[in-house]
Amino acid sequence: DTAVSQTPKYLVTQMGNDKSIKCEQNLGHDTMYWYKQDSKKFLKIMFSYNNKELIINETVPNRFSPKSPDKAHLNLHINSLELGDSAVYFCASSSGSETQYFGPGTRLLVL
Amino acid sequence: GQQLNQSPQSMFIQEGEDVSMNCTSSSIFNTWLWYKQDPGEGPVLLIALYKAGELTSNGRLTAQFGITRKDSFLNISASIPSDVGIYFCAGQGRGAQKLVFGQGTRLTINP
Repeated sequence: DTAVSQTPKYLVTQMGNDKSIKCEQNLGHDTMYWYKQDSKKFLKIMFSYNNKELIINETVPNRFSPKSPDKAHLNLHINSLELGDSAVYFCASSSGSETQYFGPGTRLLVL
Repeated sequence: GQQLNQSPQSMFIQEGEDVSMNCTSSSIFNTWLWYKQDPGEGPVLLIALYKAGELTSNGRLTAQFGITRKDSFLNISASIPSDVGIYFCAGQGRGAQKLVFGQGTRLTINP
């Protein structure tokens, strides 16, 4: 009965590959987010979707393409992975601008 | 862009001691939040503050929303081993869905 779940938890891949991370929430929220946490633990928002519509795009390279097939899912596809993409990616969800609940994170390592 | 300055960056204390950390901002926020992140997990909300001057407790945790709306602090009383982790402050503007995070305070407790 996990509220916000992400898959995979760990992802190790080669530079140049394309990969996807999936997120699902069962809280009935209408807004979902992707955050990136770097090696220094700094958390920064990347994208936000409200009712499947993109509302925040924080100047993330266009190699990153979020997709929201429905309100409960927000996936993140990354093309041509680079070494600097190595980080922990967190999905979160909220009801409008209310409290955000975070998933367990996906640890991406690009070799 | 908006930035939060969180201090201290790390703390090394003895079990039973009280802990205090704070966050300051160059701009006003309408909501202040405090999250805790355990190793390998996503941030978990501890306390949410919605009104300037508000003082809120959650067990041994107490947080305050600064009167200027540009700062907040979190106190932990009588620390125990399970308090170990990284504590993040986050600010949210009026009606905004984006959270701006501080750099985190890493708490280590010696038993």
